Amino acid sequence: GQNIDQPTEMTATEGAIVQINCTYQTSGFNGLFWYQQHAGEAPTFLSYNVLDGLEEKGRFSSFLSRSKGYSYLLLKELQMKDSASYLCAFMDSNYQLIWGAGTKLIIKP
Amino acid sequence: GAVVSQHPSRVICKSGTSVKIECRSLDFQATTMFWYRQFPKQSLMLMATSNEGSKATYEQGVEKDKFLINHASLTLSTLTVTSAHPEDSSFYICSARAPKEANEQFFGPGTRLTVL
Repeated sequence: GQNIDQPTEMTATEGAIVQINCTYQTSGFNGLFWYQQHAGEAPTFLSYNVLDGLEEKGRFSSFLSRSKGYSYLLLKELQMKDSASYLCAFMDSNYQLIWGAGTKLIIKP
Repeated sequence: GAVVSQHPSRVICKSGTSVKIECRSLDFQATTMFWYRQFPKQSLMLMATSNEGSKATYEQGVEKDKFLINHASLTLSTLTVTSAHPEDSSFYICSARAPKEANEQFFGPGTRLTVL
């Protein structure tokens, strides 16, 4: 079967670093996505990993280990505007996105 | 990246009426569009996959006669919620896949539907 799991909520301090983990199980895999979603808005694309390793993009980095079914999103130098839900999703063999429930990130001053 | 628009952004309607939501890819041709529904504090739930020129593929539990999908052109897909009821109140989001970037979906801004 397929499943994907990520923490429901995390809290971090402005200026700090936070890592949001995502684990998944699937027989067919075509990449792992991270999206950011502010309340009342549609998701916006953050990153895509299809090979093992770390992809860095400014303050955000995403890591993938296909053998472990594991990914994380790393946010550095946290800003108040980073308060949002972060959704991980993997693309299955039919190129369909399977979504996690999202991690609500709360940034405190 | 590619741009996807949705219209309307918000709609309030009476129970029993039908509501049409449009999803357009503005600067690319989308052979495949996806319709999602998101209830408060929950993740995206795929409702259906819309392919241009063919019938939509609905996810299990989604009533195809209630949620009518038409993908008449490469830039437009519509979702019609027929005989809407309060339990249909939700955030409806479409996304489109660009041919050259087959592994990425571009999302519209969403439509907030409130059925009274």
